[in-house]
Amino acid sequence: DAGVIQSPRHEVTEMGQEVTLRCKPISGHDYLFWYRQTMMRGLELLIYFNNNVPIDDSGMPEDRFSAKMPNASFSTLKIQPSEPRDSAVYFCASSPGQGLGSGANVLTFGAGSRLTVL
Amino acid sequence: DQQVKQNSPSLSVQEGRISILNCDYTNSMFDYFLWYKKYPAEGPTFLISISSIKDKNEDGRFTVFLNKSAKHLSLHIVPSQPGDSAVYFCAASADGQNFVFGPGTRLSVLP
Repeated sequence: DAGVIQSPRHEVTEMGQEVTLRCKPISGHDYLFWYRQTMMRGLELLIYFNNNVPIDDSGMPEDRFSAKMPNASFSTLKIQPSEPRDSAVYFCASSPGQGLGSGANVLTFGAGSRLTVL
Repeated sequence: DQQVKQNSPSLSVQEGRISILNCDYTNSMFDYFLWYKKYPAEGPTFLISISSIKDKNEDGRFTVFLNKSAKHLSLHIVPSQPGDSAVYFCAASADGQNFVFGPGTRLSVLP
């Protein structure tokens, strides 16, 4: 398996533009997560899906952010309009939904999409 | 309000010695804990896990200790190697699905 695939790896855009980040989870994984990493706040959960259904979007900063999962193999995170404070690395992660012996549902992360909003 | 804290932003250790990375949490409902390692320009990769029914889990050079009464866990790496130089994240969950991550500790292993 190629792992979790994210695109683009880097995006530079101007304030006010729409940004779309894409994610392909690992085949067979039931959960998909979007995280954002910043220097100030570290890794914070934005939203997660179970079987394509959004379960918890309480981490989405505001209405400018939206996420969709139209099928089991694809998800998007959209920012419209983008602002300089949205500059961060956005990670997508997926997990199988069945725990390890410890009971934890281990997340596998993609390489991230580095967003710079000028 | 940070539910998962890693109070040391950075740590330097000599090659061959033990590295100890610490993590504290505030939510007593957390029962599942993961450690991740992250290299620059890559996503975090899973290292080791522990649940609250155990107080220790070992995998090769990596051992995680959990003190539930103190709401504290630690990751021990021994012996430390230069390739271990990375940012280490602690993560905690109440349900084993939705994990809260700490801010990370940057480990530098000096040759």
